[in-house]
Amino acid sequence: GQQLNQSPQSMFIQEGEDVSMNCTSSSIFNTWLWYKQDPGEGPVLLIALYKAGELTSNGRLTAQFGITRKDSFLNISASIPSDVGIYFCAGQPTTGANSKLTFGKGITLSVRP
Amino acid sequence: DAGITQSPRHKVTETGTPVTLRCHQTENHRYMYWYRQDPGHGLRLIHYSYGVKDTDKGEVSDGYSVSRSKTEDFLLTLESATSSQTSVYFCAISEDNLAKNIQYFGAGTRLSVL
Repeated sequence: GQQLNQSPQSMFIQEGEDVSMNCTSSSIFNTWLWYKQDPGEGPVLLIALYKAGELTSNGRLTAQFGITRKDSFLNISASIPSDVGIYFCAGQPTTGANSKLTFGKGITLSVRP
Repeated sequence: DAGITQSPRHKVTETGTPVTLRCHQTENHRYMYWYRQDPGHGLRLIHYSYGVKDTDKGEVSDGYSVSRSKTEDFLLTLESATSSQTSVYFCAISEDNLAKNIQYFGAGTRLSVL
């Protein structure tokens, strides 16, 4: 089946630094979503993208829908300790009324004070 | 927060016993989903529903059944729990599963099968 690739599994940054993460696929996706999950909680939607090339911001977060429709990028600027968590990408393929979201395995972000 | 409540939040059970997890929504969304989350696997779809009494299988449906008798409730049943079903289970809801399939998640149920 379709897979979304997120790497590395873990990232360690210093407070105040910017961090970028990407999500890639061998298939075209119609929608890209970025979620964050805090320990013991469910994923929370950060940003949704619907058009190739679209660039959307949510506070210090910026995400882009790749031109090829096979990737998406998330950037966090000026990181703070509460940015710690797992960041998932999810994509909706273009085909079928019952097509379902595919999720990446997530990147665990640690922020050193 | 999306109005999604999962119950129970934690459960410990024994191998071979039936277990039912409940997802309740107050958003009147048409689509509801059950996922499991395991280390190294991310979120995997178990079953989903596209309306009352309308359900379909996901990628890891073996050993699980679901029911949706009301718009607001989606039940996940483990007919005879096994240790491999120890996991964190998430319910999600979506208004539309086509162009804008934004899914909102509950807080999860942590299930341990001993």
